[in-house]
Amino acid sequence: SAVISQKPSRDICQRGTSLTIQCQVDSQVTMMFWYRQQPGQSLTLIATANQGSEATYESGFVIDKFPISRPNLTFSTLTVSNMSPEDSSIYLCSVNTGGETQYFGPGTRLLVL
Amino acid sequence: GENVEQHPSTLSVQEGDSAVIKCTYSDSASNYFPWYKQELGKRPQLIIDIRSNVGEKKDQRIAVTLNKTAKHFSLHITETQPEDSAVYFCAASTQDNDMRFGAGTRLTVKP
Repeated sequence: SAVISQKPSRDICQRGTSLTIQCQVDSQVTMMFWYRQQPGQSLTLIATANQGSEATYESGFVIDKFPISRPNLTFSTLTVSNMSPEDSSIYLCSVNTGGETQYFGPGTRLLVL
Repeated sequence: GENVEQHPSTLSVQEGDSAVIKCTYSDSASNYFPWYKQELGKRPQLIIDIRSNVGEKKDQRIAVTLNKTAKHFSLHITETQPEDSAVYFCAASTQDNDMRFGAGTRLTVKP
C-alpha cells in the first residue's frame, strides 16, 4: 500500500482563523478523500478531491468552509476556514490506489479554542 | 444514500474467547465491505475486506461473512488477545467508491 503523510499532525488554533492540512502520497493514486472524525465518533466523508477539477462535496459540507485542492496525483490540501470550536476534530485523508480499498493517512488533530 | 448500522457499540470479552461484530447496509448497489481497526490515537487500518461475489473470507483468526440477501455482514475474531482491543469500523462501498462507515465497536479483551 501507499505511504501517506499528513502535515501538521496536530494544531491548536484560534476561532475565526483558517488551517490548511496537507496530504502527501509516495506514489500516484487514483482517488483521494478527506474525512472528519469527531471525538469518539465514526468517520464522515467530507469530499472527494478530484485532480484538476473541483472537489465533490458530501451533503452538509461546502466549498467555502472546506476548500480542497488536488494539483497532482500525489498531493492534496484541505483548508478548514473561519474555524469555530465545533471544528475540533481529527481530519484524515485517504487514498485509493486503483481498486476499492482506501488507505488512511495518520490524521491531523485539530483543536479550536 | 447508503446507511450502515453497526452493533454492538461496545464489546468486552475474555482473552481466548471469540468476538462477533455485525453490520447492516441499506444500498443494494454496495459491493465492497471492508473492516478497519483503529487503535487509540492511530489511523484506521484495513484488517480484512470482502466483495459481494464472496460469502465468506478468512485470514488467520479473523473472518468476515456476507449475506447479500439480508444485507448484513459480520466480523468474527477467534482466540482473542489483548492486542485485539481497539475500535472496529465496518464500511460499505459502491463501485463509485462512495464508502460509508458504521458507528464503530469498541472491543476490549480482558487478560
